[in-house]
Amino acid sequence: GQQVMQIPQYQHVQEGEDFTTYCNSSTTLSNIQWYKQRPGGHPVFLIQLVKSGEVKKQKRLTFQFGEAKKNSSLHITATQTTDVGTYFCAGSQGGSEKLVFGKGTKLTVNP
Amino acid sequence: NAGVTQTPKFQVLKTGQSMTLQCAQDMNHEYMSWYRQDPGMGLRLIHYSVGAGITDQGEVPNGYNVSRSTTEDFPLRLLSAAPSQTSVYFCASSKPGQAQTQYFGPGTRLLVL
Repeated sequence: GQQVMQIPQYQHVQEGEDFTTYCNSSTTLSNIQWYKQRPGGHPVFLIQLVKSGEVKKQKRLTFQFGEAKKNSSLHITATQTTDVGTYFCAGSQGGSEKLVFGKGTKLTVNP
Repeated sequence: NAGVTQTPKFQVLKTGQSMTLQCAQDMNHEYMSWYRQDPGMGLRLIHYSVGAGITDQGEVPNGYNVSRSTTEDFPLRLLSAAPSQTSVYFCASSKPGQAQTQYFGPGTRLLVL
């Protein structure tokens, strides 16, 4: 079945450093979504990418979808303590509505 | 709008007990799903529903039952709880079709002794 791998599992940075998490699928995705889960909270939608090679920005966050639609990345520039949490990618395949989530990258930021 | 609500927030069960985790949404979303979250395992789909009267299995359905009698409600039933079902359970809803944002509830933390 469809698998979505996400690396790294953990990332610890100093405040102000950049951060990147990568997501890879075993199959071509029709779209990919990114979610953020704060400690003790629930996942919250950040963004969705649909087109091959698409790049979207939200302030300090940059999201990319690979040309083959099998991989994606989330890059945070100059991390802040408010960026702490676990970032998940989730993709769907073909005509399916089901989302398959990566295992997430837990980001901690040292002030 | 309350969004997606889940009850209870926290529950302790003994092995073999049964219980129902409640999930409701007031956004008129047709698609609803249940996930469990375990450390290092991400979010795994248990069951989902594309509309009232329609349910299907996800990645880890064993030990769980669901039903969807109304658009608003999607309860998850544990018929005979096992320690392996200790987890955080999230309900989510979305509009029908692909590439739709999933709205998650606050979660239910379940401990099975």
